[in-house]
Amino acid sequence: AQSVSQHNHHVILSEAASLELGCNYSYGGTVNLFWYVQYPGQHLQLLLKYFSGDPLVKGIKGFEAEFIKSKFSFNLRKPSVQWSDTAEYFCAVRDYNTDKLIFGTGTRLQVFP
Amino acid sequence: EPEVTQTPSHQVTQMGQEVILRCVPISNHLYFYWYRQILGQKVEFLVSFYNNEISEKSEIFDDQFSVERPDGSNFTLKIRSTKLEDSAMYFCASRIGNEQFFGPGTRLTVL
Repeated sequence: AQSVSQHNHHVILSEAASLELGCNYSYGGTVNLFWYVQYPGQHLQLLLKYFSGDPLVKGIKGFEAEFIKSKFSFNLRKPSVQWSDTAEYFCAVRDYNTDKLIFGTGTRLQVFP
Repeated sequence: EPEVTQTPSHQVTQMGQEVILRCVPISNHLYFYWYRQILGQKVEFLVSFYNNEISEKSEIFDDQFSVERPDGSNFTLKIRSTKLEDSAMYFCASRIGNEQFFGPGTRLTVL
């Protein structure tokens, strides 16, 4: 069965620090990859997605992610975080042959001014 | 921008009671989903729905759960006899291309 692993459960950073959140998935076929963000008390919002093409994808709010097929990874990055980036971040994979999203356990990011 | 909406935002019920969670997907979307997130845990897939029938369901989606699209706009999740462990945030999502759009969720509390 497909699975998604997020190794960082809780990350604490100061504003302007760089961010990298790890995401690994276990599936060898064609996948669609996503990062969602959940701000406190709000619903899931799509940050960015990868379907095909350039493995470096850029999303909203200065986030980007790199798909490395050989490593089954899709790490999320941001060069300089802001206090407003405090949220829960979820990596998800959609198996091309099924219809569901499989989510990782999430990473809670806290950014202090 | 069109959004998925869900009602109610918070539902409190007694164990053994039936609950219906309502969702209005984005109007031209064709695929519909329910997910749930137990507090502190990851988001889990429950069921997908297309062309007025279930296309896939998880092990969580047992006989106590059902989904319906009664009037072409609403998409409902019914839990027939709620258990304490059904307490969670329930998210509806809809899709037309490759991206699923999520609603704000309904927090279900079973006492």
